Amino acid sequence: GAGVSQSPSNKVTEKGKDVELRCDPISGHTALYWYRQSLGQGLEFLIYFQGNSAPDKSGLPSDRFSAERTGGSVSTLTIQRTQQEDSAVYLCASSPSSNNYGYTFGSGTRLTVV
Amino acid sequence: AQSVTQLGSHVSVSEGALVLLRCNYSSSVPPYLFWYVQYPNQGLQLLLKYTTGATLVKGINGFEAEFKKSETSFHLTKPSAHMSDAAEYFCAVSDRGNNDMRFGAGTRLTVKP
Repeated sequence: GAGVSQSPSNKVTEKGKDVELRCDPISGHTALYWYRQSLGQGLEFLIYFQGNSAPDKSGLPSDRFSAERTGGSVSTLTIQRTQQEDSAVYLCASSPSSNNYGYTFGSGTRLTVV
Repeated sequence: AQSVTQLGSHVSVSEGALVLLRCNYSSSVPPYLFWYVQYPNQGLQLLLKYTTGATLVKGINGFEAEFKKSETSFHLTKPSAHMSDAAEYFCAVSDRGNNDMRFGAGTRLTVKP
């Protein structure tokens, strides 16, 4: 597509429930990133996919968080047993293989855990 | 590992005044440097980037930034602020050859009429 698409744009869930956030990157972009932006905070790196390589999961805050990328395109970030501290905006970005192009970001998914 | 420090979480200027948003980085190798802007309820948009070559880079909306290796800085400037410039600005650094980009905490720019 023309840009990075994220869905849903807003998600309200009850504490303890599982949620799935979707990211559809720009066609042809081999790199895909997930970041978390909490209120008044900067961007926290979560996970990075590059082509068919094993993902860099070093930023995932706990084992309740996982992500996959199917067919080198769409990615799903899953949060199990959500907690109130998971409330944040989750941003997805993609880029061509080289990092000197910068990232193209989606509009994010605002997750609220009640 | 690389890191970024943005001095001032909130900057307020009058319309028509100079905009200066500060960014200092830490990197063990020559970095790639970026500025992004985030308007309310939107994702981040690339303003400008430095990868190699000229150290003064020009971006969209009249913004520019200068890479100063001796000061490990990449400050963002605009000669004359416009009301539409009000947004959150993020500085980011990435080691060359490494797709891991680290962001600063952001600076919220307010423009007063």
